[in-house]
This record gives sequence, structure tokens and C-alpha cells, in this order.
Amino acid sequence: QSALTQPASVSGSPGQSITISCTGTRSDVGGYNYVSWYQQYPGKAPKLMIFEVSNRPSGVSNRFSGSKSGNTASLTISGLQAEDEADYYCNSYTSSSTRYVFGTGTKVTVL
Amino acid sequence: QVHLVQSGAEVKKPGASVKVSCKASGYTSTAYYMHWVRQAPGQGLEWMGWIKGDSGATSYSQKFQGRVTMTRDTSISTAYVELNRLTSDDTAVYYCATENKPKALEIWGQGAMVTVSS
Repeated sequence: QSALTQPASVSGSPGQSITISCTGTRSDVGGYNYVSWYQQYPGKAPKLMIFEVSNRPSGVSNRFSGSKSGNTASLTISGLQAEDEADYYCNSYTSSSTRYVFGTGTKVTVL
Repeated sequence: QVHLVQSGAEVKKPGASVKVSCKASGYTSTAYYMHWVRQAPGQGLEWMGWIKGDSGATSYSQKFQGRVTMTRDTSISTAYVELNRLTSDDTAVYYCATENKPKALEIWGQGAMVTVSS
């Protein structure tokens, strides 16, 4: 089971919106509505930002939103802020023996 | 408030085994899934498997089958992951995390660094 494909980096200016893609197959992203997104600062544990494609846990800013089309899921950050600069990983449940697969990770830079 | 506290850093020699613990507090039930995820230095996240808190049932990533064992001690609300036949490729931060949302990891431990070096 290969990792889901994410762009290595995405950047934007404060106040702008950016979108991070997460491409898999019909065995994972395309086959289940179990896509989640995680934010990770250097040296820190990941934080759940989105679950079940588009749901936000309590306490996560509504500037973060998720969606899915076919085999590609997306995380959009609107009103970009300096504190959003971090690494972001997608994750999907999969029918393979791996059960769960993470994306390759995307570094978000706020210009 | 659920909280996960992991054991400290470990240094192991190639071929050895390591066992990392994860103590949970704030849970009123043992019916949770405890996942283990690792992250090599400068690399991405890698899912290793899960253990069900009440039954002890496990599911491992195929990559680690035969080399990993996940266990739990319900009397002290602690989960463990043991990895055998260590190589330098196993040098990583090992995280425990609970599936508080459907198929998503909401609560994470602070991570435990495991270094494999001769």
C-alpha cells in the first residue's frame, strides 16, 4: 500500500485561501468516507483537524474545511494566518491489509 | 478529559526489541481503539496498527506483521507496542492515539523517541 499523494508544499499570503490535495485510489479515498486531516508542528504530536471527509472536531476553527471528489480529498484553509504554518497529513481507511494509510505530507508556508 | 502519556526515549542496538507504553487517563470505558503511528526523522506518518481496549483484539499493518505485538493492561489503563528485530530504519518517534472519532485519531500521546544504533 503506497502512501496517499500530497503536494510537498503549498504557500499563501495572510488572508488568502489555500487547498491541499490528497490523491489515492478507489481502495482508499475513493471507496470510503473515512478521510481525516492532521496538522503537525515541528516536534509536536499531530492534531486532528477534519474527520469523515468534512467534519470538524470541537475546537477546530471553521477556517478549515474538507471535501472529496472521486479518489481525491482536499483540505482548504481560508483566511490564512501565520499560526497555520505547519505540516498537514491526510489519512484514509483502506480495504488493503494496511487498513489505514497516510499521505506524504504537505508543508504549508505563510508568506 | 482524555489524556495519553507515553514512556520515555529508548536507545537500542540492532537486532534488539523495544517496548513503548501509553497510559490513558480520563476514560470511563475500555471500549476504545488504541492506534500506534510512527514517524522517522524528517519523514511522514506511518500507521502501525491498533488494539481494542476491551477485547484486546489487534490489527497490524502488513508491513509490521510478525515483528510487532500490541498489548494492553486494563487494570492500569496502559497500552504497549513491542517491536522486534530492530534495524536503523526503525529509528522514529512512536505515537499512541485513540480513535475518538470514526476512523480518526483525536487524542495523541506526546510521542516516544526510539533510536536504533550500534
